[in-house]
Amino acid sequence: DGGITQSPKYLFRKEGQNVTLSCEQNLNHDAMYWYRQDPGQGLRLIYYSQIVNDFQKGDIAEGYSVSREKKESFPLTVTSAQKNPTAFYLCASSERQGRVQPQHFGDGTRLSIL
Amino acid sequence: AQSVTQLDSHVSVSEGTPVLLRCNYSSSYSPSLFWYVQHPNKGLQLLLKYTSAATLVKGINGFEAEFKKSETSFHLTKPSAHMSDAAEYFCVVSDPLTSYGKLTFGQGTILTVHP
Repeated sequence: DGGITQSPKYLFRKEGQNVTLSCEQNLNHDAMYWYRQDPGQGLRLIYYSQIVNDFQKGDIAEGYSVSREKKESFPLTVTSAQKNPTAFYLCASSERQGRVQPQHFGDGTRLSIL
Repeated sequence: AQSVTQLDSHVSVSEGTPVLLRCNYSSSYSPSLFWYVQHPNKGLQLLLKYTSAATLVKGINGFEAEFKKSETSFHLTKPSAHMSDAAEYFCVVSDPLTSYGKLTFGQGTILTVHP
């Protein structure tokens, strides 16, 4: 079945450590996205990529970095500069650019601070 | 700028009774609107979408929503709630001015279904 796979499901970070969250899709979608979800809030966009080797900052990109070397992969690195990284992180993809294409989501990675 | 307001943070119903989750939006242009559902520790699943075709949109699992431009509303309804409907629901608007259709999410409504 086609879908989006996020790993790991749970991740713990020590102070001063960078961690990388994996996102892989086999839907052949061009666009991919990373969101952060905090309790009682909607999703907030961290980064998005519309095509391989290109990505753009979203609303809350500070303390995060991404790469898009392959169409199916869009890993997110949470750097030590992100002072409040505890959250639920969701990766999404969409068929092509444009407002009418819904985004499909993975099952998320929950990141906590040790 | 566009925005989405979900009017209830929590809704509680009995199994077998109707469900109404309310959403108002603000957009300068003709928007695309979506409803997503999220079960605990899971990703978001698309329930339905409105993209300027029929104003009454039918989705999965018996849900439907009606786009009312005059009221800037996009409320989600279901005639009869099931225990499996208990989850968090998000109303989402897509920005037509961005090349990638930026999504703006509502704060979410937690639906509780009592037996």
